Amino acid sequence: GQQLNQSPQSMFIQEGEDVSMNCTSSSIFNTWLWYKQDPGEGPVLLIALYKAGELTSNGRLTAQFGITRKDSFLNISASIPSDVGIYFCAGLTGGGGSNYKLTFGKGTLLTVNP
Amino acid sequence: DAGVTQSPTHLIKTRGQQVTLRCSPKSGHDTVSWYQQALGQGPQFIFQYYEEEERQRGNFPDRFSGHQFPNYSSELNVNALLLGDSALYLCASRSQGALTLHFGNGTRLTVT
Repeated sequence: GQQLNQSPQSMFIQEGEDVSMNCTSSSIFNTWLWYKQDPGEGPVLLIALYKAGELTSNGRLTAQFGITRKDSFLNISASIPSDVGIYFCAGLTGGGGSNYKLTFGKGTLLTVNP
Repeated sequence: DAGVTQSPTHLIKTRGQQVTLRCSPKSGHDTVSWYQQALGQGPQFIFQYYEEEERQRGNFPDRFSGHQFPNYSSELNVNALLLGDSALYLCASRSQGALTLHFGNGTRLTVT
């Protein structure tokens, strides 16, 4: 089956630093989604990417859909303590119908030291 | 505008028992999916429901079954519980045709 390799597994940074994480796969995806999960809660959608090469921002977050359609990265600028959590990439194959299939990476645990 | 709601939030069951988890999709959504998230892992797809039918299924045994009701709400049933079924069960919804999936806060199932 499809697998996503998400790295790094964990990061420990100082407040104010920039963060970068990425996902790679041997499979092609037609949409990339990035989620954040806080303890005891479900994943919350941060950014959606729909086209190869697309670069999208959401506040201090920036994500890109790789040209090969097999990878994506997420950057967080000027990190703050509330950025702490687990970040997941998810790649979509199929469309919006019954063939919709979303595959998740294993997550990047981000810790921000105030 | 209520998001995806799940009940109960926590549940403790004994090996061999059966469990039913419930989900109400986000307002305006008609497609519901269920995911299992083990500790330290990403969510794993169980199945997807649309128009009250199972449309797609992940690599989970038949002990996992579901249902979708006319109001789009859904249930996940797990029979003959195993210790390995202990996990966070996430419900997610979207509108048919949409590409973004919205998650509830999950039900934490512990099997002893």
